[in-house]
Amino acid sequence: GAGVSQSPRYKVAKRGQDVALRCDPISGHVSLFWYQQALGQGPEFLTYFQNEAQLDKSGLPSDRFFAERPEGSVSTLKIQRTQQEDSAVYLCASSQSRTGGGQPQHFGDGTRLSIL
Amino acid sequence: AQSVAQPEDQVNVAEGNPLTVKCTYSVSGNPYLFWYVQYPNRGLQFLLKYITGDNLVKGSYGFEAEFNKSQTSFHLKKPSALVSDSALYFCAVRALIKAAGNKLTFGGGTRVLVKP
Repeated sequence: GAGVSQSPRYKVAKRGQDVALRCDPISGHVSLFWYQQALGQGPEFLTYFQNEAQLDKSGLPSDRFFAERPEGSVSTLKIQRTQQEDSAVYLCASSQSRTGGGQPQHFGDGTRLSIL
Repeated sequence: AQSVAQPEDQVNVAEGNPLTVKCTYSVSGNPYLFWYVQYPNRGLQFLLKYITGDNLVKGSYGFEAEFNKSQTSFHLKKPSALVSDSALYFCAVRALIKAAGNKLTFGGGTRVLVKP
């Protein structure tokens, strides 16, 4: 597609439920990133993939958060046993560059997750 | 650790006047610096980047930014603001050292309001 696509755009879940958020990056982009954006704040890094390899997961806030990119294209961010503090916008970004380098990251419109 | 500070939560400017959004950063080694803009319920849109070379960088929609190494700043500027420039602006940094990984670290954002 022309840009990074994320689905669903909005997700409401009850506390304790599991959720899965999908990201379809720009075709051919090697690098894929997940960020969490709390209301009124800047995005914060969660995890990074280069093709199917998860090279950095230092930003995942707890072991309830899990991300995968099994075929090096589409990625899924899963949150188990959701808590109210998980409510945020989850942004996915992709980049052409293998090393990160100077290539900009291109962002999707995000998934707004609300935990009741 | 790398960090970004955007000291102004909001900047108000009259249409046609110059616009400046401030950003300072802290990284180990040389930085890659980026500016993004976010409209309501949308993802981040890339405006411009500094990698190396000329300290004055020109980007999309008439925006430019000046890299100042001694002041560790990367202020965003536009000579003549438009009402349509009203949005949330984020400065981001990535260190060039391998240990930092490929993640971007964002500032907290500055809301720009351009009044007719």
